[in-house]
Amino acid sequence: EIVLTQSPDFQSVTPKEKVTITCRASQSLGGSLHWYQQKPDQSPKLLIQFASQSLSGVPSRFSGSGSGTYFTLTIDSLEVEDAATYYCLQSRSLPYTFGQGTKLDIK
Amino acid sequence: EVQLVESGGGLVQPGGSLRLSCAASGFSLSGYWMHWVRQTPGKGLVWVSRISSEGIAAYADSVEGRFTISRDNAKNTLYLQMNSLRAEDTALYYCIRGAPFDHWGQGIVVTVSS
Repeated sequence: EIVLTQSPDFQSVTPKEKVTITCRASQSLGGSLHWYQQKPDQSPKLLIQFASQSLSGVPSRFSGSGSGTYFTLTIDSLEVEDAATYYCLQSRSLPYTFGQGTKLDIK
Repeated sequence: EVQLVESGGGLVQPGGSLRLSCAASGFSLSGYWMHWVRQTPGKGLVWVSRISSEGIAAYADSVEGRFTISRDNAKNTLYLQMNSLRAEDTALYYCIRGAPFDHWGQGIVVTVSS
């Protein structure tokens, strides 16, 4: 089973700050790594697919990069509405696995 | 608009059974891989099962032999038959489309307790 480790677990940030969340994999994923945002009492929402592919309807301040075993999600100029928990997911091999999550708190 | 609506959850005793349903609209289930994922405060998000567009099923080790994923293309509905339920199966269960998981249902709560 591929283990995904996110960093940090928690971050308190101010609006307009730039935030970077990392996701490290225990094996190479190629580019099969995806990022999700989950707000309280909501289902997770796909933000970035295949490491760096942006999606229609997702604000352009969200971007992803990386390959192999190291990936990052960057939020440029954080907004209050970005308060949420962020997860990475690997679809390289079964069982699909998630990172433990990174909770962003807005100061 | 793509929608996934889960139903069938609830409280069940250890050893009991439940069948979750996921009614899909806005697309045809038969053309997509579909998944079940569960979420708990302690273990986070955990993939449970998948059925491919060809109908091939796969399961997490923790549910292999106890859970069965299936779909009814005519009803455009996905199912998860859960047998021999354990306390550790207690979770919020999501029905999800695709790979990557591009659309999620709202989730349904399953509680296994005596």
